[in-house]
Amino acid sequence: GAVVSQHPSWVICKSGTSVKIECRSLDFQATTMFWYRQFPKQSLMLMATSNEGSKATYEQGVEKDKFLINHASLTLSTLTVTSAHPEDSSFYICSARRGAVNSPLHFGNGTRLTVT
Amino acid sequence: KQEVTQIPAALSVPEGENLVLNCSFTDSAIYNLQWFRQDPGKGLTSLLLIQSSQREQTSGRLNASLDKSSGRSTLYIAASQPGDSATYLCALSHSGTYKYIFGTGTRLKVLA
Repeated sequence: GAVVSQHPSWVICKSGTSVKIECRSLDFQATTMFWYRQFPKQSLMLMATSNEGSKATYEQGVEKDKFLINHASLTLSTLTVTSAHPEDSSFYICSARRGAVNSPLHFGNGTRLTVT
Repeated sequence: KQEVTQIPAALSVPEGENLVLNCSFTDSAIYNLQWFRQDPGKGLTSLLLIQSSQREQTSGRLNASLDKSSGRSTLYIAASQPGDSATYLCALSHSGTYKYIFGTGTRLKVLA
């Protein structure tokens, strides 16, 4: 079946540094990927829609300059948390849709970010 | 604005029980609805996908139904097992934007 790989699975960084998270579709091409954020014991909140070859579409309240998204190829999207602060500590999950808009979403295993 | 609510928020049942998880949404203009399972600290595993034109989907001990007119979906788990313990999330794909909006989740614990 379709597989979405996310790397790293966890990362600890110091406040003020930047962290890049990669999301790859391993056996299919994904023109659109989605980035979600999840706080402990809460549901997933959509951050942005990543479109191959064009700018990402950010949800209201998400700072585009802080969460940089790049979708340079049909199999790779990256999320960079710039100048991270402790409040950015969270679980970040990417997803991709294989095929038409009515096909299911496939999710990566997530990245646990801890900013000290 | 689409709002997706799941009831109950948490559920603890003895092994072997049949149970129903509920998902309610406020905007019926959906493309499809997907049920997911999430284990602690892990990503999401897709369980069932129901297209807007469908009424239900079944996979093994799982059955999901969709009633757009009433804004509800249910996930039925038959003969629950301790391995079913996880958080269950429903998510809707909006007809206009195809974005997936997630429900609040139900934390299920099946006791051996």
